[in-house]
Parts: sequence; C-alpha cells; structure tokens
Amino acid sequence: DSGVTQTPKHLITATGQRVTLRCSPRSGDLSVYWYQQSLDQGLQFLIQYYNGEERAKGNILERFSAQQFPDLHSELNLSSLELGDSALYFCASSPSDGLYGYTFGSGTRLTVV
Amino acid sequence: GQQLNQSPQSMFIQEGEDVSMNCTSSSIFNTWLWYKQDPGEGPVLLIALYKAGELTSNGRLTAQFGITRKDSFLNISASIPSDVGIYFCAPRANFGNEKLTFGTGTRLTIIP
Repeated sequence: DSGVTQTPKHLITATGQRVTLRCSPRSGDLSVYWYQQSLDQGLQFLIQYYNGEERAKGNILERFSAQQFPDLHSELNLSSLELGDSALYFCASSPSDGLYGYTFGSGTRLTVV
Repeated sequence: GQQLNQSPQSMFIQEGEDVSMNCTSSSIFNTWLWYKQDPGEGPVLLIALYKAGELTSNGRLTAQFGITRKDSFLNISASIPSDVGIYFCAPRANFGNEKLTFGTGTRLTIIP
C-alpha cells in the first residue's frame, strides 16, 4: 500500500457522460499530481495541485478539470467523455516539490463505451 | 522542448538473464529517478540518483547517472519472474515547479 488512495478502481461509462475520480494523498503530502496512461502510451502529466491551489498544467483537455480540497484530497472531473478518454488515470503525491519523486496510487481504469 | 529517449522499448528474456536499459536526453538533468510499474498498478520508485557519475544499487538493481548529466542506465542482474513490468526513467532539472516527465518505458517480459 503506497498510502495514496484512488477510487474507484474501475469505471465503465458511456460516451457523453461525466465522471469524477477521487484521490487521497499520502499523509502529510501537500502536492497532488494527475497522470493519464493510455494503452501503449507513457505517463502523460495532466495537472498538479499544491495545498489547494493549481500549480502546473500539462496536456489536460478543456473537458477535464480538477480541484484539491482543504483536506488535501483531490478530484479529477472528466466530462463529455469520448472513446479516446479510455485510459488509466493515476494520482500521485509528494511532500512539496517532488524533489525525491512522487508516490503513485494504483490508478482508476476508465473505460468509455 | 526536451527529448527523452528510453530504450529498448521492450525486452524478452529468460529467467536468470541480466537486463540493461537506458534513457538519453537532449537536456541536462540534476536528478534521475527510475520507476517500475507492475501490471495493473501504479509506478513505484526503485532508485534515485542525484549526482553526475553516481552509481547506486538496490538489491539486484544498479543504476548510474551519466557523467554528461544527459543519460542514465538501469541494470537488473539475474532476472526473476517478479521483475516483469514496465520500467520508466524520470529525470528532473530541479528548477522551480518542474513536473516529473517520464520516459516511454521499457516493457520487460520473461519467457518461461
């Protein structure tokens, strides 16, 4: 158990729908990062939050949004889902700037049908 | 932007063989991290390198931070079935609010 908790583990939904993925960071970690991993693709950075504020944005679509709450858990919202959004979505956390690396959760596998 | 090349893309080996993979970049980095992703799981940090030329071991794993600071390699000796997975390099320049960028991964398969 890495200490980073992601729910749900699996999600199957239809095109056009909206889903919310949830992440609880490791205790004491202030930064949360979201990554997308499509089939045969590497890990693509989506967005980072630090202590409730957005810190960095990567290749995140406008249909996607995220937030980090006062208790430091984070949610990634995916809307108007398309087949191509099917992927593994990982949350990672670090104490601050991630100098010593990130700790990853076990991911949410999203399947859009 | 930086180019990060990880090779080989995949490896098929027999149990007991040694494995070598590397990452090269067009940019200079101050930290190289190596992660492993087991099937169906998130990546786990294996080894961290913080100094050019540094050679670090973790059990059967050995990694080196290239002297030019543009490359790193990871070796696995005497591979066992649980070594199966995808290995990623993740270098950092350690400036400001830099996000971790991962290599394309090396998929290791052990042939029975």
